[in-house]
Amino acid sequence: EVQLLESGGGFVQPGGSLRLSCEASGFTFDTVAMSWVRQAPGRGLEWVSVVYSGGVSTYYGDSVKGRFTISRDNSRNTLYLQMHSLTEEDTAVYYCAKNHMGGYSLYALDVWGQGTLVTVSS
Amino acid sequence: DIVMIQSPDSLAVSLGERVNITCRSSQSVLYTSNKRNYLAWYQQKPGHPPRLLTYWSSTRESGVPDRFTGSGSGTDFTLTISPLQAEDVAVYYCQQYYSYPSTFGQGTKLDIK
Repeated sequence: EVQLLESGGGFVQPGGSLRLSCEASGFTFDTVAMSWVRQAPGRGLEWVSVVYSGGVSTYYGDSVKGRFTISRDNSRNTLYLQMHSLTEEDTAVYYCAKNHMGGYSLYALDVWGQGTLVTVSS
Repeated sequence: DIVMIQSPDSLAVSLGERVNITCRSSQSVLYTSNKRNYLAWYQQKPGHPPRLLTYWSSTRESGVPDRFTGSGSGTDFTLTISPLQAEDVAVYYCQQYYSYPSTFGQGTKLDIK
């Protein structure tokens, strides 16, 4: 069964940092691009970032560029999101999701984790 | 950035009826070299992650019932649900993956009348 399991969410003060992880199973992790998508409470979906299968090419949404870093460890089948300079606007459920095909572009996202909640508050 | 606008924001439809949700992009998401529209539709039920319904505008994801149909090209797209069933109550989102940053529509909330 294809699964994605996020962890690392929690409560953090403004200006703080947090690292999210997403453990993948049930598919060949190193052949597909992986994304993070977030959803603020009661709001819509916001695409955050993508990393291609080789781990070198990365792209970010405007609101997180320069503060967040996406990475992956293909030997551990794990995706990461390092977040710095967090603000209350970063409060959201963070989902990891896999491309439905391909490792070297962003395509539709066919499998999603259950999400991990990040709360930024003083 | 490509802006995705869905309409309506919410709607209530009777069971068994047809539902049309539209999505308009601020620029074309049709990649002319392969003639594919880089547009996906998702369904999200409360407390759950999104579920992929269609990609390339009209290709239905495996396991998705055939009452869900995606259509459109260029800048104008439609998700049709027919006939509407009770379990289709959800929020529906379109997403363009034509260019970075990828962007979602604001969502359309569907209820039963």
